[in-house]
Amino acid sequence: DAGVIQSPRHEVTEMGQEVTLRCKPISGHNSLFWYRQTMMRGLELLIYFNNNVPIDDSGMPEDRFSAKMPNASFSTLKIQPSEPRDSAVYFCASSSTQEQFFGPGTRLTVL
Amino acid sequence: GENVEQHPSTLSVQEGDSAVIKCTYSDSASNYFPWYKQELGKRPQLIIDIRSNVGEKKDQRIAVTLNKTAKHFSLHITETQPEDSAVYFCAATDSNYQLIWGAGTKLIIKP
Repeated sequence: DAGVIQSPRHEVTEMGQEVTLRCKPISGHNSLFWYRQTMMRGLELLIYFNNNVPIDDSGMPEDRFSAKMPNASFSTLKIQPSEPRDSAVYFCASSSTQEQFFGPGTRLTVL
Repeated sequence: GENVEQHPSTLSVQEGDSAVIKCTYSDSASNYFPWYKQELGKRPQLIIDIRSNVGEKKDQRIAVTLNKTAKHFSLHITETQPEDSAVYFCAATDSNYQLIWGAGTKLIIKP
């Protein structure tokens, strides 16, 4: 298995633009998590899905952020409009038990 | 809900010495306690975990101890090596069996 796949690996965009991050979980995993990591705030859980259904989105910072999981093999995290304070590394992780497997992350820079 | 506190935030030890990182949790129903290691620029990866029916677990130079009465668990690294330099995260399960993360400890191994 290739592990959790995320794209793009790096994204540089200008304030106000829409950003879409993508994630392919490990096949057979039924839970998917989106995290944001910054120096100031550490590792923050944004939202997680179980069997493609959003279970807890209390970590989503505001309405500019949205996440979808249309099927078991694909999820997106969208930021619209983006702001400089959204600059961070965004990780996707998946699990079938309690161990979470992280993707390589997307480093987002909003200018 | 579950709250996980991790100390210290930064730990500097001489190569060859031992390092200990401590975490406390608030939910007595928590039953799974993993430790993740994140090297610079990389993704977090599970290095060891322990379940509530066990008091200690070892894997070569790393060990985790759990005190359910006091609600704390610790990571022990012996004979530290340069490649142990990283950020270490503890976590504990909440009532929905999802992970609540500590803030992380930056471990620095001095040559």
